[in-house]
Amino acid sequence: NAGVTQTPKFQVLKTGQSMTLQCAQDMNHEYMSWYRQDPGMGLRLIHYSVGAGITDQGEVPNGYNVSRSTTEDFPLRLLSAAPSQTSVYFCASSYSNRGRAGNTIYFGEGSWLTVV
Amino acid sequence: DAKTTQPTSMDCAEGRAANLPCNHSTISGNEYVYWYRQIHSQGPQYIIHGLKNNETNEMASLIITEDRKSSTLILPHATLRDTAVYYCIGDNNDMRFGAGTRLTVKP
Repeated sequence: NAGVTQTPKFQVLKTGQSMTLQCAQDMNHEYMSWYRQDPGMGLRLIHYSVGAGITDQGEVPNGYNVSRSTTEDFPLRLLSAAPSQTSVYFCASSYSNRGRAGNTIYFGEGSWLTVV
Repeated sequence: DAKTTQPTSMDCAEGRAANLPCNHSTISGNEYVYWYRQIHSQGPQYIIHGLKNNETNEMASLIITEDRKSSTLILPHATLRDTAVYYCIGDNNDMRFGAGTRLTVKP
């Protein structure tokens, strides 16, 4: 059981380049989300999805796009990378986004992104 | 939806109990409290959750006050490997995490 898989693990981008961080889960979870974590800071929600075809903005959505064409995949796109987007990115999934016992959130191992 | 408040940092001596508080005074009646921890930039991992009753598992104990406005995560015998950031969240808040509590276990 792979859980939540993120790729790539490390990436260096030049300012203005675009790229996609991939996230896949094999637990048939409806809810998926992306977070960024800057050094010494907590997790900030970028975008989330409550099911295939449905996405919504989190706390810090600017500069990022998402789509959810399948239950399994939730890619995060950086449209035009900026140094301020240098961060560690975590993808997560759970059965639902609210109000259930056993609604544990599972995280990927993180993607380290540096924009120069 | 519950907004949670946690102390920024705490220290604990190795072998002693670590008691991490969380305030969630706006929690709704059917909203569970979940605790996660994040060790050194790894992905956060689930520790324990509860609704009304106290809970215990192999990792920790969770004490929830009768009015459900606060809870305490207890690591009964903290080790150096328990040094991490601990997050308390209500599961009706669309998975928004705060800054958590940075626990440092000292020899």
